[in-house]
Amino acid sequence: DAKTTQPNSMESNEEEPVHLPCNHSTISGTDYIHWYRQLPSQGPEYVIHGLTSNVNNRMASLAIAEDRKSSTLILHRATLRDAAVYYCILDGSARQLTFGSGTQLTVLP
Amino acid sequence: DVKVTQSSRYLVKRTGEKVFLECVQDMDHENMFWYRQDPGLGLRLIYFSYDVKMKEKGDIPEGYSVSREKKERFSLILESASTNQTSMYLCASSRRTLYGANVLTFGAGSRLTVL
Repeated sequence: DAKTTQPNSMESNEEEPVHLPCNHSTISGTDYIHWYRQLPSQGPEYVIHGLTSNVNNRMASLAIAEDRKSSTLILHRATLRDAAVYYCILDGSARQLTFGSGTQLTVLP
Repeated sequence: DVKVTQSSRYLVKRTGEKVFLECVQDMDHENMFWYRQDPGLGLRLIYFSYDVKMKEKGDIPEGYSVSREKKERFSLILESASTNQTSMYLCASSRRTLYGANVLTFGAGSRLTVL
């Protein structure tokens, strides 16, 4: 299975943009890049996904490198409610997602 | 609002007991999954099912079994609970897609303690 690498933790100030990086150098041509986040005491929730082009939705933006070996989740204005563990995952044809340990985002007031 | 409902939020069981964790989804999803989550280990896939009566092993199936008799319900069974199965268990579901836009919806989790 293709793997992803993320920093263990990051900090951001409230109301500032946050860029969460993810490396996936072994990505295959049909793997989608997914991002989920897990708030304390909750199950993970879907944030965004993409294949080749950058994607935007109401929660975040996903910037995908041209060679697709890395991607960045962008939260445009971090709030205290965005403090969570963020998971970057590759989704291929196996119909299952493998979660790593993710990045713990701390948002400072 | 779409939902994945796990029957118990907290359970305490004794070593050797048979444990059932139930998961129901109301989105008519074909795929269902059971993960466990432990500190420092992230989420690990136990079993998944892509159709009624179908199941496939995930990364850590040992000590677990599953049942999917109806499309909306996916049960995780611990035949003889052990202390190393103390964990947070997460159920998820997704719609079947040809290629990987496999968006999961998770339940809130069931925290199992085995004494």
